[in-house]
Amino acid sequence: DTGVSQNPRHKITKRGQNVTFRCDPISEHNRLYWYRQTLGQGPEFLTYFQNEAQLEKSRLLSDRFSAERPKGSFSTLEIQRTEQGDSAMYLCASSLLGDGGEKLFFGSGTQLSVL
Amino acid sequence: ELKVEQNPLFLSMQEGKNYTIYCNYSTTSDRLYWYRQDPGKSLESLFVLLSNGAVKQEGRLMASLDTKARLSTLHITAAVHDLSATYFCAVDYKGGADGLTFGKGTHLIIQP
Repeated sequence: DTGVSQNPRHKITKRGQNVTFRCDPISEHNRLYWYRQTLGQGPEFLTYFQNEAQLEKSRLLSDRFSAERPKGSFSTLEIQRTEQGDSAMYLCASSLLGDGGEKLFFGSGTQLSVL
Repeated sequence: ELKVEQNPLFLSMQEGKNYTIYCNYSTTSDRLYWYRQDPGKSLESLFVLLSNGAVKQEGRLMASLDTKARLSTLHITAAVHDLSATYFCAVDYKGGADGLTFGKGTHLIIQP
C-alpha cells in the first residue's frame, strides 16, 4: 500500500486522558500535514513538517497539542489532557514539494471521541 | 482573516442535470484545489489549478480558475448518482506554509 496510513482509525477516550495518533506518509513525500475536521466543516490546518522540521503551527494548536516527525518519516500527534471539544477527525496528509503545485494526499483519518 | 466560501452548501439535483458549484476566496492566490469526500472517508484530490484561466476536466466534472475574480467553479455535466459526495475547494496562500485553507464544502446529492 503506497498511500498515507493513519492509526488508529478510531479512538474513544475519557476527558483528561492523553492520546497519540500516528501517520505514515507516502515514502518519498517530504511534507506532512495535520488537519482537524469536525462534522459539516472543511478540514482545518493544524501544523506541517518539511522533512523533520516543524515549520508552521496554527493558532488552533494549543499547548496541549504536540506533533513530531522524527527522522522525517512517520509523524505523531499527541493531545494531552483531552477535552470534549477535541472530538473530531484528525487527518494527516503528505505531499512532495515541487513546481507542479502542492497536491495533498490524505489518509483515512483518526476519529477521536472524548467522553 | 483568510476566507474561502463555497456555495451552495447543500445541493440536491436529479440525474442528467447540469450544475455549478462556486468557490470564492478573499486573498490573492493562484493555487486552488478541489477535493471530493465520501461519507466516512478521507479526501480525494480532483483538480489542481495553478494559474489564471486554468481549466481542467475529468469525466463529468470540469474546474476552472479566475484569479482576478478570486473565483473557481466546479461544473457538473449530466450528473449521475455516483457523483453524490461532499466537494471542497481549498486555497494555497503561502506555497504550502499554513497548508491549505478549505471551504465548508458543498454536500451534493444526486437523485435517480
